[in-house]
Amino acid sequence: AQRVTQPEKLLSVFKGAPVELKCNYSYSGSPELFWYVQYSRQRLQLLLRHISRESIKGFTADLNKGETSFHLKKPFAQEEDSAMYYCALIDKNRDDKIIFGKGTRLHILP
Amino acid sequence: KAGVTQTPRYLIKTRGQQVTLSCSPISGHRSVSWYQQTPGQGLQFLFEYFSETQRNKGNFPGRFSGRQFSNSRSEMNVSTLELGDSALYLCASSLFDRDTEAFFGQGTRLTVV
Repeated sequence: AQRVTQPEKLLSVFKGAPVELKCNYSYSGSPELFWYVQYSRQRLQLLLRHISRESIKGFTADLNKGETSFHLKKPFAQEEDSAMYYCALIDKNRDDKIIFGKGTRLHILP
Repeated sequence: KAGVTQTPRYLIKTRGQQVTLSCSPISGHRSVSWYQQTPGQGLQFLFEYFSETQRNKGNFPGRFSGRQFSNSRSEMNVSTLELGDSALYLCASSLFDRDTEAFFGQGTRLTVV
């Protein structure tokens, strides 16, 4: 079954330290993966997608098919990065249904 | 352009009642999806509508239903409310049926007492 796993519910990182939010997936085929972010009292929004290979707000994510992972990384954490992060997969076999991980709350310590 | 609008923002209902939530997608978007967000389960997909037809459905009981109107506005209905239905319900709209970028509303916070 298609699945997205975010093993950490909460991740606390000091400001200026590197950040890595883990995401593993289970999918038969070529996955299309995304990271969504929800800042406090704001709506959920797309952060980045693997097909565009872009860096948004200093975050990058590389698809590793061998490890079936799509970890989100940032070399130097900033306080404004504190938010809820969701990894998501598009199930192309089921009309683009989006499957989300349970999310990781990132807390940046001053 | 205006984003996805969900109404109401907050709702308190008692067990056994029914509730209807509304979602107005971004103008021109034809696909509307609904999600339930709870602390324990995270984000879970409810269903997706495209051009007034339900295209996809998640693993929720039949008490959860929805529909989409010709102007792409969508409603979600939950009947015979249970305490466990308390959650943030999010709506997302996409331009076309296979477009992969979904824009989310701010959600409706439903509390069942």
